[in-house]
Amino acid sequence: QVQLVESGGGVVQPGRSLRLSCAASGFTFHHYAMHWVRQAPGKGLEWVSVISYDGNDKYYADSVKGRFTISRDDSKSTLFLQMNSLRDDDTAIYYCARGPLGRYQFPVYWGQGTLVTVSS
Amino acid sequence: IQMTQSPSSLSASVGDSVTITCRASQDIDYYLAWFQQTPGKAPKSLIYDTSNLQSGVPSKFSGSGSGTTFTLTISSLQPEDFATYYCQQYDTYPHTFGHGTRLEI
Repeated sequence: QVQLVESGGGVVQPGRSLRLSCAASGFTFHHYAMHWVRQAPGKGLEWVSVISYDGNDKYYADSVKGRFTISRDDSKSTLFLQMNSLRDDDTAIYYCARGPLGRYQFPVYWGQGTLVTVSS
Repeated sequence: IQMTQSPSSLSASVGDSVTITCRASQDIDYYLAWFQQTPGKAPKSLIYDTSNLQSGVPSKFSGSGSGTTFTLTISSLQPEDFATYYCQQYDTYPHTFGHGTRLEI
């Protein structure tokens, strides 16, 4: 069965960096696009980023563009999110999700999330 | 693309049917998904391409619409259906979610 396990969350000061990881299993990782979605405490879902199955295409929300970088290591079936210049409003649970096969992408399977708290 | 859900909250009883509406600020064809989230849990994917059920999702959930107006209908509500529901457009990047509809008993 599909399993996605996020890690790397924690408490970080504003302006600092953090890298999240998402270990995938139960499917052929390099066949699928992967997403990051976040949820601030008590708020709704916010799409963050997606990377295509081959890593060639990457898209970002306007709120993180230029600060966050999505990447993948297919040899380790792992998705990453490098977060730089963190701000208070980046505080959220970060979920990784697997998309379907095909061009049009949306989250299908979700991990349990990892909490990032940006605070001085 | 802005996604507007209505209502933002909804009260219903076990056995009722409810409908949630999601409106896009521009035409998204049929590229709309619905998600369910219960407190403290990760979201669950329900519907994609407006009306296609994800594997394992019961047929009590149904979706319809096209262009800018979409609906999610849940029939014969059971206690486990009381949750928050989100729509998401994936026609154009950046993808965007609606603000959610909280379905309460």
